[in-house]
Amino acid sequence: EVQLVEFGGGLVQPGGSLRLSCAVSGFSVSDNYMSWVRQAPGKGLECVSVIYSGDTTFYADSVKGRFTISRDNSKNTLYFQMNGLRVDDSAIYYCTRGRGGWYSFDHWGQGTQVTVSS
Amino acid sequence: SYELTQPPSVSVSPGQTASIACSGDKLGNKFVSWYQQKTGQSPALIIYQDTRRPSEIPERFSGSNSGNTATLTISGTQALDEADYYCQAWDNSAVVFGGGTKLTVL
Repeated sequence: EVQLVEFGGGLVQPGGSLRLSCAVSGFSVSDNYMSWVRQAPGKGLECVSVIYSGDTTFYADSVKGRFTISRDNSKNTLYFQMNGLRVDDSAIYYCTRGRGGWYSFDHWGQGTQVTVSS
Repeated sequence: SYELTQPPSVSVSPGQTASIACSGDKLGNKFVSWYQQKTGQSPALIIYQDTRRPSEIPERFSGSNSGNTATLTISGTQALDEADYYCQAWDNSAVVFGGGTKLTVL
């Protein structure tokens, strides 16, 4: 059974840092592209980062230079290092699995809440 | 940057057909996916590659994509279909989501 479990969210002050983790089971993070998608309160979905095979990465302009996506194949875990956090980074962050031939994200985690506030 | 536009809300009566549009420049040249998000839950994939359904998704959900518009159609809409629906496409290596449509079944 495919499962994605995020953790590491919490309350942080503006300018602070957090590292999100997404532990997966039922497949290998190395075999799929993976992404982080966030959803601010009452708002829509925003894909903020993708990591592809060969570790090519993509970042939305809103997080470029501040956030870093990575994965540890030995731990089968996806990470998201978030530095220089801003109030408008507050959101639920979802870890998702990309399905190559489908051009879509076929499994989503339950999400972890990130709140940036003084 | 590439944008996908959806109507903020759509209403439908139980048993009727609901259609949700997603528009973008030359969208018909891209693959479109659709996601359903019920209140308090994570999004779930319901349509991929414009028209295909994951095996667990009911047949009443269908999709199309041509020109500048992709459409999600729900036939025989049920109360449990009330949710937010998002379209998604790729623009080079960027993933783009539409703003979402709230489907109300009343």
